Amino acid sequence: GAGVSQSPSNKVTEKGKDVELRCDPISGHTALYWYRQSLGQGLEFLIYFQGNSAPDKSGLPSDRFSAERTGGSVSTLTIQRTQQEDSAVYLCASSSLDTQYFGPGTRLTVL
Amino acid sequence: ELKVEQNPLFLSMQEGKNYTIYCNYSTTSDRLYWYRQDPGKSLESLFVLLSNGAVKQEGRLMASLDTKARLSTLHITAAVHDLSATYFCAVDTVQGDNDMRFGAGTRLTVKP
Repeated sequence: GAGVSQSPSNKVTEKGKDVELRCDPISGHTALYWYRQSLGQGLEFLIYFQGNSAPDKSGLPSDRFSAERTGGSVSTLTIQRTQQEDSAVYLCASSSLDTQYFGPGTRLTVL
Repeated sequence: ELKVEQNPLFLSMQEGKNYTIYCNYSTTSDRLYWYRQDPGKSLESLFVLLSNGAVKQEGRLMASLDTKARLSTLHITAAVHDLSATYFCAVDTVQGDNDMRFGAGTRLTVKP
């Protein structure tokens, strides 16, 4: 079956612009996660959605970051007024039971 | 706040050798996960350890979990070049919640 998909795969933007990153989870998965991975670094948790519960936003680094999940499926991560330090790979994952399945990521470059 | 620490962060080993990667975590959890990431790729699930004393093996990799010590190990037996990758452990923050935190990763290089 189809795995987790993310779009775009690459995004180059100018400092100060807003960007939207999209995640399509595996159908039926109730949990969805966003992580950020800087070059050569580990995964930094950003936000977690579980069913209809309020999302865990504790990992969002600033108020420039926000995410929503519509209809319990597709999620969009929005970064406003991008900064150079926002450059990273943004990974989305979904799960239904014990295992998270990761998407291919969106590589964001802020010039 | 849950902290997950891996060591070593970098590991260079020769083919045929054995080695162990360690993952320590700071709060009570009985679910631990190991992932593999190849350069430029996303993460691939390797093992899910769900209880104290759990041991799982796949090929040359074996993972174990000691929830009392808050420690998991990933043991590599007779390493081969194809095992070169970055390995991450991850721990649930709340039992059954599927909200996980990751270690920094261990970058493994296996040399001929």
